[in-house]
Amino acid sequence: DGGITQSPKYLFRKEGQNVTLSCEQNLNHDAMYWYRQDPGQGLRLIYYSQIVNDFQKGDIAEGYSVSREKKESFPLTVTSAQKNPTAFYLCASSMSLGGSSGEKLFFGSGTQLSVL
Amino acid sequence: AQSVSQHNHHVILSEAASLELGCNYSYGGTVNLFWYVQYPGQHLQLLLKYFSGDPLVKGIKGFEAEFIKSKFSFNLRKPSVQWSDTAEYFCAVTSFSGGYNKLIFGAGTRLAVHP
Repeated sequence: DGGITQSPKYLFRKEGQNVTLSCEQNLNHDAMYWYRQDPGQGLRLIYYSQIVNDFQKGDIAEGYSVSREKKESFPLTVTSAQKNPTAFYLCASSMSLGGSSGEKLFFGSGTQLSVL
Repeated sequence: AQSVSQHNHHVILSEAASLELGCNYSYGGTVNLFWYVQYPGQHLQLLLKYFSGDPLVKGIKGFEAEFIKSKFSFNLRKPSVQWSDTAEYFCAVTSFSGGYNKLIFGAGTRLAVHP
């Protein structure tokens, strides 16, 4: 089945530790996104990537880093610089049209990150 | 910066009641508008979208939304809700900047439908 796989489902981070959230898609989509979901704040964009080896900061990129070495994979690292990392993280992908209409996003099942 | 406002954070309705969830956006240019829904324990999924043409858009499960350009609004409606409509609903707008499209979401509205 085609889709987006996020792992792990639950992740705990210690103070000062970097952790990496995995996101893999087999939809052959060019564009991938990371959103953070907090209660009462909806989804906020962290990073997005339209093509391999290219990514852009979203609205709340501070304390996060990403890479896009393969089309299928867009891992997100939550660094120790992110002071409030506890949240639900959603990965998404879409067919990239490079500047025309926004496309439908397909979402993964999410990773809940908590700080110990 | 472009933003999306959803007026109601929590809505509680009885079955068969009518639903209208408000959504306003701030952007003066051409927009693409979406409503996404997240049912309990499930992925976010697209409910309906507006790109161009008829401003009244029909989506899945009897939902519809009307794009009113003069009011910068894209309210979601359903004439008669069911218990299975209990979910969180997100309005979203496409923002085009720097050669890239990105989707800006509202804060979401939690809908609880009681039998």
